[in-house]
Amino acid sequence: KAGVTQTPRYLIKTRGQQVTLSCSPISGHRSVSWYQQTPGQGLQFLFEYFSETQRNKGNFPGRFSGRQFSNSRSEMNVSTLELGDSALYLCASTSSLTYNEQFFGPGTRLTVL
Amino acid sequence: SQKIEQNSEALNIQEGKTATLTCNYTNYSPAYLQWYRQDPGRGPVFLLLIRENEKEKRKERLKVTFDTTLKQSLFHITASQPADSATYLCALDSSNTGKLIFGQGTTLQVKP
Repeated sequence: KAGVTQTPRYLIKTRGQQVTLSCSPISGHRSVSWYQQTPGQGLQFLFEYFSETQRNKGNFPGRFSGRQFSNSRSEMNVSTLELGDSALYLCASTSSLTYNEQFFGPGTRLTVL
Repeated sequence: SQKIEQNSEALNIQEGKTATLTCNYTNYSPAYLQWYRQDPGRGPVFLLLIRENEKEKRKERLKVTFDTTLKQSLFHITASQPADSATYLCALDSSNTGKLIFGQGTTLQVKP
């Protein structure tokens, strides 16, 4: 089975721009979660989607949004980028409704200049 | 306030010894707790999950304990090897909703 894939792997943007990151979960997994990882704050939960519906949301501003498609692929969007948005963005998929192990992708390293 | 804390200092041990990492939490009542391993530049990899009604879980050289009274989980690696060097993260889901809250992680360095 192929693992979780994320594209692009690296991205450089400037302040004020917007960015879209993509995540393809493991085949058959319907839940996709997104996390932001920074040296100062660690891994922080952004949101989780299941069957195209956002089920959970973390404490991030509205500039961070996401969606999930019928094939379970997910995208997250960050608008009006700020320097502090520089981070590793990770997505994870899980197979069951009972929240067991999450399978993480390699992440997208976003640098905002 | 809710907190999940891991020892932020790196743990340095000699090959062959047992590494013990600690995860403490406050103001949570997690249904389960998970441990992940993360190598530099890569996503976390799931290692073990322990439920609130389980005291201990083992997988090969790994052992996790969960004390809901102390609000603490201990993660042990026996007969440690240099290849075990990585950052280890604990995570909990207090509401069984899939929203994982992660600790900051503890970096383990195993020296040959």
